[in-house]
Amino acid sequence: EVQLVESGGGLVQPGGSLRLSCAASGFTFSNYELNWVRQAPGKGLEWVSYISNSGRSMYYADSVKGRFTISRDNANNSLYLQMNSLRVEDTAIYYCAREGQPYNWFDPWGLGTLVTVSS
Amino acid sequence: DIQMTQSPSSLSASVGDRVTITCRASQSISSYLNWYQQKPGKAPKVMIYAASSLQSGVPSRFSGSGSGTDFTLTIGGLQPEDFATYYCQQSYSIPRTFGQGTKVEI
Repeated sequence: EVQLVESGGGLVQPGGSLRLSCAASGFTFSNYELNWVRQAPGKGLEWVSYISNSGRSMYYADSVKGRFTISRDNANNSLYLQMNSLRVEDTAIYYCAREGQPYNWFDPWGLGTLVTVSS
Repeated sequence: DIQMTQSPSSLSASVGDRVTITCRASQSISSYLNWYQQKPGKAPKVMIYAASSLQSGVPSRFSGSGSGTDFTLTIGGLQPEDFATYYCQQSYSIPRTFGQGTKVEI
């Protein structure tokens, strides 16, 4: 079964850091591009970041550029999101999602991990 | 960046109704348009990809159409399990932007 499982969420103070992980199974991890998407409480979906299958190309939403870093470990089937200088407005459920080929749809999604930024 | 505009933002419908949700892109995205369903407390799930391709396991009452800038998701014969929020998403370019969502309520 193709599966993604996020971890690493929690409560952090403004200005703090957190590292999210996404463990993949059931498919050849190194063949697929991956994304992080977040959803603030009661709000819609917001794309956060993309990484190519090799890990050489990364892109970020303007709202997180310079603060968040996406990376992957193809040997261990894992995706990461390093989040620094966290703000209250970063509070959200963070999902990892695999891109399908060739039209880049997101499937599957993980269950999500909640990040709460609050003092 | 490509902006995605969905309408309506919410709608009320009854079981058995035919429901149509529209999505407009701020520039041409060919057929790089996907539709997701999200139920409360759950992750989104792809229903339609590449504008009109039905994801495996999704009931055939769901259909998608359109290309370029204008797209439609149709649910032909709403079922109780279809009450949810639906999002369109363009996957033509990065950032992979989503529409604001359409909540389908009873």
